Amino acid sequence: EAGVAQSPRYKIIEKRQSVAFWCNPISGHATLYWYQQILGQGPKLLIQFQNNGVVDDSQLPKDRFSAERLKGVDSTLKIQPAKLEDSAVYLCASSLVGMGVTVDGYTFGSGTRLTVV
Amino acid sequence: AQTVTQSQPEMSVQEAETVTLSCTYDTSESNYYLFWYKQPPSRQMILVIRQEAYKQQNATENRFSVNFQKAAKSFSLKISDSQLGDTAMYFCAFMGGGADGLTFGKGTHLIIQP
Repeated sequence: EAGVAQSPRYKIIEKRQSVAFWCNPISGHATLYWYQQILGQGPKLLIQFQNNGVVDDSQLPKDRFSAERLKGVDSTLKIQPAKLEDSAVYLCASSLVGMGVTVDGYTFGSGTRLTVV
Repeated sequence: AQTVTQSQPEMSVQEAETVTLSCTYDTSESNYYLFWYKQPPSRQMILVIRQEAYKQQNATENRFSVNFQKAAKSFSLKISDSQLGDTAMYFCAFMGGGADGLTFGKGTHLIIQP
């Protein structure tokens, strides 16, 4: 079974530029998550999708961050304009719908390391 | 909101020794899940072990076991016969009964010395 795919692996941009990250979840996983992991900290949930609808985006800085999940499969996370404090690893994860199954199927990608200079 | 606290930023032990990583959490929920994840330099979060709050028996996966103290809101990870490949960041995480998002602690950097 293929894992959660993310690209690019690394990205360096200047502040005020825009950037986009892509995630392809495990086939059949209806729920998709984006996490932000700042150096020295644990990941923090930014947004959760179920199919192509948003379940939780309470911690997403909506003035600069946006995310979409077209057709309930792939997802894109965008930052515009980027700030220095956005430097972090952005992790995507996916899971099956339903609490019991969700726990078993929770799988992370390898993330995108963003550096804003 | 839930919080997860890992009080050991870094730990170092010799190969083959046993090591215990600490985690405490705070929640008002009665139904939840707790996890330990391993994150090597590749950055991928790898599930080590999980515990359902309604189960009294502590979870065990080969060399990894937990000590789950629900009343004390404590969830420690014990690694027996530690191996060089166990060197990584270890994160404790909480999942509430009503949502799928994970709340993570700040992590413990575990170093296994040869």
